[in-house]
Amino acid sequence: NAGVTQTPKFQVLKTGQSMTLQCAQDMNHEYMSWYRQDPGMGLRLIHYSVGAGITDQGEVPNGYNVSRSTTEDFPLRLLSAAPSQTSVYFCASTDRDTDTQYFGPGTRLTVL
Amino acid sequence: GNSVTQMEGPVTLSEEAFLTINCTYTATGYPSLFWYVQYPGEGLQLLLKATKADDKGSNKGFEATYRKETTSFHLEKGSVQVSDSAVYFCALIGSNFGNEKLTFGTGTRLTIIP
Repeated sequence: NAGVTQTPKFQVLKTGQSMTLQCAQDMNHEYMSWYRQDPGMGLRLIHYSVGAGITDQGEVPNGYNVSRSTTEDFPLRLLSAAPSQTSVYFCASTDRDTDTQYFGPGTRLTVL
Repeated sequence: GNSVTQMEGPVTLSEEAFLTINCTYTATGYPSLFWYVQYPGEGLQLLLKATKADDKGSNKGFEATYRKETTSFHLEKGSVQVSDSAVYFCALIGSNFGNEKLTFGTGTRLTIIP
């Protein structure tokens, strides 16, 4: 049981490049979410999904896209990277029976 | 909307000292309350939780009591260890049906010195 996995762990992009952050979970959780963590701001919700085929925007969705074709996978796409997207990104899945969120190890992204 | 306010850091304590990290919240209804911990270089993991008023969550020597009258969920530990050095986040989930979105505080960095 791997829990929530994220790849890559580190990434450096140039302004304007695109990339996809991968997230997968093996706990059969319906609810998944993406956060970004910035100093002094805690975690802010980017996008979330309540099940395969259903996604919705969180607090800071601009510049990011998501899709949820399977229960297991929830990739986050940066369409045209900007320096303001330099951050640590965490994926999480939720056990709705206990309201407990399980977090991946994070992806540290730097946009130059 | 929901919000969480927690004690500004960083907090530095000596080993075996008593720890309190304050957390207050604003939410309608009866939210569930959580403390998450983030060790260096890792993701967040659940430390403890409480789902109704006067519940006490506890784990690894940490405790927090859900106080609805003061809208608080302060984290305490009687004797901290160096291994407790981490960032601690207070969070809540609203009581609305189907609302699984966690609202986080800004985090408190704790450093324990030997």
